[in-house]
Amino acid sequence: ILNVEQSPQSLHVQEGDSTNFTCSFPSSNFYALHWYRWETAKSPEALFVMTLNGDEKKKGRISATLNTKEGYSYLYIKGSQPEDSATYLCAFITNAGGTSYGKLTFGQGTILTVHP
Amino acid sequence: GAGVSQSPSNKVTEKGKDVELRCDPISGHTALYWYRQSLGQGLEFLIYFQGNSAPDKSGLPSDRFSAERTGGSVSTLTIQRTQQEDSAVYLCASSLAISSAYEQYFGPGTRLTVT
Repeated sequence: ILNVEQSPQSLHVQEGDSTNFTCSFPSSNFYALHWYRWETAKSPEALFVMTLNGDEKKKGRISATLNTKEGYSYLYIKGSQPEDSATYLCAFITNAGGTSYGKLTFGQGTILTVHP
Repeated sequence: GAGVSQSPSNKVTEKGKDVELRCDPISGHTALYWYRQSLGQGLEFLIYFQGNSAPDKSGLPSDRFSAERTGGSVSTLTIQRTQQEDSAVYLCASSLAISSAYEQYFGPGTRLTVT
């Protein structure tokens, strides 16, 4: 059973604060890591797909880093806005057995609330 | 363009009844996935399709669950003799192909409540 852990479980910040949270995953048989944002009453939306150790991705005020050797990824939000309030999910894909078919193993998510 | 759609959006059923959940993927997406999120749990993989075939059914929780995909498009997840523990949000996603490099596009989900 693959273990994907996210911390913290929930986070409350003030508008304008910068914040970050962590996704931990098995460091062996890494294939890819996905980040998704899931707003209430909407569908999960892809933020980043990361495949290389040391990879850094950026989309507007949100960025992510990846360390496959130690098995973690950080998601950063700079200058949080109320519209950033959502659950942020990471999902791990393993190449154990030689397959890479996009089966995602999700963490429990970090619930972010940005207060105006 | 149209995203992934699912129907119904909500379903309340009595224990023991069968239910069918439908997913319409994005046109041209060959890969289709089913997940569910039970109360207080993370998203759990159920099954995926490459075209019409399902190479990995390992996530289906019991033999009461089955899924099919026809014409490389619409997929149906069927739950027979529903139990209360089947209550969850069932999400469908699609991607261009089966590959870890492709992001998955999710539908709005079907909230299933078994009474």
